[in-house]
Amino acid sequence: ETGVTQTPRHLVMGMTNKKSLKCEQHLGHNAMYWYKQSAKKPLELMFVYSLEERVENNSVPSRFSPECPNSSHLFLHLHTLQPEDSALYLCASSPLGRGANYGYTFGSGTRLTVV
Amino acid sequence: SQQGEEDPQALSIQEGENATMNCSYKTSINNLQWYRQNSGRGLVHLILIRSNEREKHSGRLRVTLDTSKKSSSLLITASRAADTASYFCATDESNFGNEKLTFGTGTRLTIIP
Repeated sequence: ETGVTQTPRHLVMGMTNKKSLKCEQHLGHNAMYWYKQSAKKPLELMFVYSLEERVENNSVPSRFSPECPNSSHLFLHLHTLQPEDSALYLCASSPLGRGANYGYTFGSGTRLTVV
Repeated sequence: SQQGEEDPQALSIQEGENATMNCSYKTSINNLQWYRQNSGRGLVHLILIRSNEREKHSGRLRVTLDTSKKSSSLLITASRAADTASYFCATDESNFGNEKLTFGTGTRLTIIP
């Protein structure tokens, strides 16, 4: 265990379903991230939450909706997804601060399949 | 947008040999980091090198950074079967530390027993 826990590990959903991915960390980090990893593509940064405020949204479709209720929890709400959204979704956390030089701590990911 | 690009895309070596992977990037950075990913799992942070550092060691890992060439290399010495994984470089470009880490496409390393 890395200290960042993602649930569920695997998810199969239909295009009309609504589901949520959950990420939890108790490392005292104050930034959390969602990344999407598709085959043969670089990791794509989807959302950044810094001190519970969203600071980055890399033009992600509105069918993905993040929520960060506190510094320890991060959700990704999914609805009306497309088959091309099938991927490994990774959550990460890190400390913040000017001049910070820390690595990110990743969860094990949720393997999402849209059918 | 993609910042780092790893080279080669795939590498197979015999156990015990050294493995070298390279990373090139485009813009100025605060630091550069290397991560490992076992198949279908999350990424694990290996080592971080700051923009004012040129070389860093951690166990069997050696990282170099050349900011004039915008490139970095990761050397794994005396490779083991357990080193089989994908390796990614990531660059931190943010003005406020650590807010945006951009990853490359990775090098798939296979260690042949």
